[in-house]
Amino acid sequence: AQTVTQSQPEMSVQEAETVTLSCTYDTSESNYYLFWYKQPPSRQMILVIRQEAYKQQNATENRFSVNFQKAAKSFSLKISDSQLGDTAMYFCAFWVNFGNEKLTFGTGTRLTIIP
Amino acid sequence: NAGVMQNPRHLVRRRGQEARLRCSPMKGHSHVYWYRQLPEEGLKFMVYLQKENIIDESGMPKERFSAEFPKEGPSILRIQQVVRGDSAAYFCASSKPGQGIYNEQFFGPGTRLTVL
Repeated sequence: AQTVTQSQPEMSVQEAETVTLSCTYDTSESNYYLFWYKQPPSRQMILVIRQEAYKQQNATENRFSVNFQKAAKSFSLKISDSQLGDTAMYFCAFWVNFGNEKLTFGTGTRLTIIP
Repeated sequence: NAGVMQNPRHLVRRRGQEARLRCSPMKGHSHVYWYRQLPEEGLKFMVYLQKENIIDESGMPKERFSAEFPKEGPSILRIQQVVRGDSAAYFCASSKPGQGIYNEQFFGPGTRLTVL
């Protein structure tokens, strides 16, 4: 079974600073996908960024980038130039195709951007 | 192109009543997933359905919970004889079909169930 661990329940950072959220996972599979989702107070789940395990290059989406360390099973999210709108819960998630297609989520990190 | 629709957005039930949660997938999506989010927790997978078929229900509680995705109409998550522990946000996601590759799951806004 796959597990996803987020060890930082809460974090806060000043506006315009950079923050890194941690995620580790456990799997015996070699081909899988990893994701970061944002859940603002509206509770809508928003996909921030995704990484295919077979790609060595770290994914980047504007101010959001990941540090994917496959051997260490680590997948951290870096938010640069943080903005007030980044305040939200952030969930790391894992997907592998076993014939079912469920996403496995971590417990989340509550990020607060301080003005 | 409308996104995943869920209704109602908020549902209040008394203990022992039934709760019916509806999910209309995005156009062209034939795969539906239900997830539950308990307060202060992450989303937990419940069930994965394709049209008229339950593919994986490994996350569904053994009793009181059922799900369907008929040929016509929305997917329904049904909770019979609700208890306070069923209070949670229930999210539906949908995706296009595809074997062995990842098709993005798009999430609905969720239904918040409160059991009094």
